[in-house]
Amino acid sequence: DAGVTQSPTHLIKTRGQQVTLRCSPKSGHDTVSWYQQALGQGPQFIFQYYEEEERQRGNFPDRFSGHQFPNYSSELNVNALLLGDSALYLCASSYTGTGHQEQFFGPGTRLTVL
Amino acid sequence: AQSVSQHNHHVILSEAASLELGCNYSYGGTVNLFWYVQYPGQHLQLLLKYFSGDPLVKGIKGFEAEFIKSKFSFNLRKPSVQWSDTAEYFCAVTAPMDSSYKLIFGSGTRLLVRP
Repeated sequence: DAGVTQSPTHLIKTRGQQVTLRCSPKSGHDTVSWYQQALGQGPQFIFQYYEEEERQRGNFPDRFSGHQFPNYSSELNVNALLLGDSALYLCASSYTGTGHQEQFFGPGTRLTVL
Repeated sequence: AQSVSQHNHHVILSEAASLELGCNYSYGGTVNLFWYVQYPGQHLQLLLKYFSGDPLVKGIKGFEAEFIKSKFSFNLRKPSVQWSDTAEYFCAVTAPMDSSYKLIFGSGTRLLVRP
């Protein structure tokens, strides 16, 4: 049973560019959450998707957007990249039926903005 | 707003020493509490969780944590650490009344266990 997978593993972009990160949830999970983990910090909640809609959003600007597909996979898009967007982006999946009692994390995508 | 504080940013122990990592949260309502671990080069993994019931919860690899509601604390403990426990440890909370169950993380504690 595959866990949460993310692609790509690493990404290097320049300021002003746009990036798309992808996530496939654990089998049986229907909810995907995205987190940003800056160096030396704990993960910060970006937003969560359920039934193809954004259910809740953290304190991130509109440059951060997402999407969930019918197969529950998800994308995170970041426009007009800033140096401060350099971080590890984590995807976590969970199942609504268990009250999200555990979120399973993927390995993350390391984004570097030059 | 909810927040989580982990006061020990770096901890260095020798093998067989006892471990206690502090975690305090600020939230007036009911919370679910978690400890996650991130081993070098690996992804975040759940160590243990508390939702209700016995405030002393046991997790994987010999870890345990105690929820003290009056102190808003959920400290992680292990009686005897091993070199393989070298990792970064994150305390996190969710609010059950929040339908998204978003995790609020502390800033983490880096543990180095010397052989």
